[in-house]
Amino acid sequence: DAKTTQPPSMDCAEGRAANLPCNHSTISGNEYVYWYRQIHSQGPQYIIHGLKNNETNEMASLIITEDRKSSTLILPHATLRDTAVYYCIVRSGKTQGGSEKLVFGKGTKLTVNP
Amino acid sequence: SAVISQKPSRDICQRGTSLTIQCQVDSQVTMMFWYRQQPGQSLTLIATANQGSEATYESGFVIDKFPISRPNLTFSTLTVSNMSPEDSSIYLCSVKRGSGANVLTFGAGSRLTVL
Repeated sequence: DAKTTQPPSMDCAEGRAANLPCNHSTISGNEYVYWYRQIHSQGPQYIIHGLKNNETNEMASLIITEDRKSSTLILPHATLRDTAVYYCIVRSGKTQGGSEKLVFGKGTKLTVNP
Repeated sequence: SAVISQKPSRDICQRGTSLTIQCQVDSQVTMMFWYRQQPGQSLTLIATANQGSEATYESGFVIDKFPISRPNLTFSTLTVSNMSPEDSSIYLCSVKRGSGANVLTFGAGSRLTVL
């Protein structure tokens, strides 16, 4: 099962920062936090991941609390094209084949409004 | 990052038939996975497609229902056998990028509707 808790939906005004929270209070010391998003009718798209330190790339910033029990994905200037379901994922065990397994929860439906 | 092409992008199928979905990657990859996304739901891992050997299925999924082939490092197929309306879903192929963190690239998905 997913080890994260996210609000089911959020709204954001176009051009403003979108801050998407995620709780992962049972995260282990060596588990990464991953963020993906799924725009309607498309496959999920990787955004960013982090372990302890805050991370930034061309798409977003990831802020992880010092105790690592929660994180926030920040889209600095949201556009209408950022409307999507955002998934916060913590590695949730192994596949039957022994590799890392990403378990997708229900995510947060972000709607960016004009 | 890898580019993934899935075919068909969508199809409407009759109950009791089978459909094969193809996944082509533009570069050689070690790890390839098949996911299912039922209507209004999140993604569920079906299996890991292993090159040159039988796929490894997750709990609740069996080879007779979802046979998978992986003849080489750039191609895989997933067959949905003896379909029923409950199999109406989006089926997604994904590959792992690199050997480090578990960053996956997904195909656009194949949307199947079973009547």
